[in-house]
Amino acid sequence: GQNIDQPTEMTATEGAIVQINCTYQTSGFNGLFWYQQHAGEAPTFLSYNVLDGLEEKGRFSSFLSRSKGYSYLLLKELQMKDSASYLCAVMDSNYQLIWGAGTKLIIKP
Amino acid sequence: IAGITQAPTSQILAAGRRMTLRCTQDMRHNAMYWYRQDLGLGLRLIHYSNTAGTTGKGEVPDGYSVSRANTDDFPLTLASAVPSQTSVYFCASSDSGRGEQFFGPGTRLTVL
Repeated sequence: GQNIDQPTEMTATEGAIVQINCTYQTSGFNGLFWYQQHAGEAPTFLSYNVLDGLEEKGRFSSFLSRSKGYSYLLLKELQMKDSASYLCAVMDSNYQLIWGAGTKLIIKP
Repeated sequence: IAGITQAPTSQILAAGRRMTLRCTQDMRHNAMYWYRQDLGLGLRLIHYSNTAGTTGKGEVPDGYSVSRANTDDFPLTLASAVPSQTSVYFCASSDSGRGEQFFGPGTRLTVL
C-alpha cells in the first residue's frame, strides 16, 4: 500500500528553527509537495521537490532523498504566524497526490 | 472571481437527502479534484477530472458522483447522504494535472 508518515504535532519557540520530517512509500514517484494549512483554512502550496537535494525559498527550505524515501521541511526564524499544520504529499505513478495526515506546529513565544 | 470558489461554506444535512457541492475556478486549469479531510487523516481523493468531459475515481468514490461539463465547474453530488460523509470537502485545481494544486476554501458538511 501507499503510506506517508509525518509527526502528528511539534512545538517550537518563536525565532528558532524547526525541521518537520516526512517518510513515504508510494507506487512510483513524480515529486513531493509541502503545503501549509492554517486552522479552518485551505491548504496552500509551499514547495516542490522532484530531484534529490535542498530547495530554499526564503525562510522555508525543503529537502528530498528519493533513495531513502525521505523529505524534510525546514522553517527558520519562526514567527507566530507559522503556527499551522504542514502537509506532506507525494505524487504517485498515476500523477495523483497521496497525502500525509499533517504535522501540527505550535509556536510558543 | 479570483481562484477557486466553493458553495456552500457549510451545511447541515439530514441523512438520506441529496446534496450538491459546487466548485468553480477561473484560472482555466485543466485538472480539478475533490478531496475530503477528516481529523487525523490525510486529504483523500474522491473524484478527479483531467480535462472537461472526463472524470475518474479516486481513493474514496463510493456515495459520490461528479460531472465536468465545462472547464470552470466541477460539482460533487451526494445522492443519499450518510453520517460517515460528515467531513470538510475541498475542491482543487491544477494547470497540467502534474504540478501544484490550488485549493478552494472548503465546505464543512454535517450529516445527521
